[in-house]
Amino acid sequence: DQQVKQNSPSLSVQEGRISILNCDYTNSMFDYFLWYKKYPAEGPTFLISISSIKDKNEDGRFTVFLNKSAKHLSLHIVPSQPGDSAVYFCAAPRGGYQKVTFGIGTKLQVIP
Amino acid sequence: DAGVIQSPRHEVTEMGQEVTLRCKPISGHNSLFWYRQTMMRGLELLIYFNNNVPIDDSGMPEDRFSAKMPNASFSTLKIQPSEPRDSAVYFCASKGSYNSPLHFGNGTRLTVT
Repeated sequence: DQQVKQNSPSLSVQEGRISILNCDYTNSMFDYFLWYKKYPAEGPTFLISISSIKDKNEDGRFTVFLNKSAKHLSLHIVPSQPGDSAVYFCAAPRGGYQKVTFGIGTKLQVIP
Repeated sequence: DAGVIQSPRHEVTEMGQEVTLRCKPISGHNSLFWYRQTMMRGLELLIYFNNNVPIDDSGMPEDRFSAKMPNASFSTLKIQPSEPRDSAVYFCASKGSYNSPLHFGNGTRLTVT
């Protein structure tokens, strides 16, 4: 039961352009969402989050958009940099203990 | 703050052997999660604890897998007996307050031959 889905396994973008990573979810009970970034041989690290009461959250070059009617969120990186090359996971916690479900990840490659 | 510490970083073992993975969460964090990462399934939640009590182990694949958290600063994930299909990267993560993000360790890469 994959409640958080990332349908694009990989994405290549030129340096300086926009990267858009997408995530769909099925459970309307999620009340906030997170994006994590993972470099090889390291654990995922938190990048940005968004509450379900908002439709946009921005942090520097990173912006997350939430479309609740479509059950869809996206992460925009502008401008993309080679150091952004990593695997990006969207995630959503639910329940009182906040069981966190992750998508399968999207591997982003930013080409210099 | 040293972050979440996992050991060993790499484990190579033969099929049938017992494997124990260890995790020290961030001090003060009251929730601990064990995840497994594979190419096909991404990050799968195996089990999580709150205040050292197992809350949900529905992600544990088989009875060969077990996890304990004897105190707030230590948890283990044990596989006995191990099988080649258990080969994956196993992550431990901890979190503090509600709506705070997970903090991950650097994982243990397990190879079962």
